[in-house]
Amino acid sequence: DVVMTQTPPSLSVAIGQSVSISCKSSQSLVYSDGKTYLHWLLQSPGQSPKLLIYQVSNLGSGVPDRFSGTGSQKDFTLKISRVEAEDLGVYYCVQATHFPLTFGSGTKLEIK
Amino acid sequence: QVQMKETGPGLVQTTQTLSVTCTVSGFSLTSYGVHWVRQAPGKGLEWMGIIWGDGSTNYNSALKSRLSISRDTSKSQVFLTMNSLQTDDTAVYYCAEETEGLDYWGQGVMVTVSS
Repeated sequence: DVVMTQTPPSLSVAIGQSVSISCKSSQSLVYSDGKTYLHWLLQSPGQSPKLLIYQVSNLGSGVPDRFSGTGSQKDFTLKISRVEAEDLGVYYCVQATHFPLTFGSGTKLEIK
Repeated sequence: QVQMKETGPGLVQTTQTLSVTCTVSGFSLTSYGVHWVRQAPGKGLEWMGIIWGDGSTNYNSALKSRLSISRDTSKSQVFLTMNSLQTDDTAVYYCAEETEGLDYWGQGVMVTVSS
């Protein structure tokens, strides 16, 4: 199985600051069709996960452009610019290139 | 808009079989896939399997011997069945629609496995 290593495990940031979360995979996530199936999810407290970014850098429906994703092959980053209070929760990366799909262990974002 | 809703038994005895239903609206099951993902209390996310729009399935090999995913397209429902339950199967079970990447999730159903 592909191992997804996500860092840091937690972050504490002030409103208006920017943060980055790293996700590294044990194998390349480029599929045979040339696409990279690396997505980012946010699980707000007490809620189900929500898709933020799909295929590395594409914003999910209704997701503000303060969120951005970059990366390639095995190394990916989620950046949140100008953090807002509603951004708190646990962020997960997930790879869908190889079966079984596998998730990072999560990054808990807290607001100072 | 897309909506997903899981329903299930809440409490199941060890060694018994779990059945959870995902009822969807806003899209056709013959066009898009539906994943099952679970989350043990205080833990991360575990992918269980997917049923695609053509009805084919893929399973997590760690669960494959115990797991079955099926559907009734006329009722817009997807079914998860898992046998030989143990206490470590206690989790919130989610279904999620696949368009671009686990796009829409249900609220989840908590299942407790008790001896």
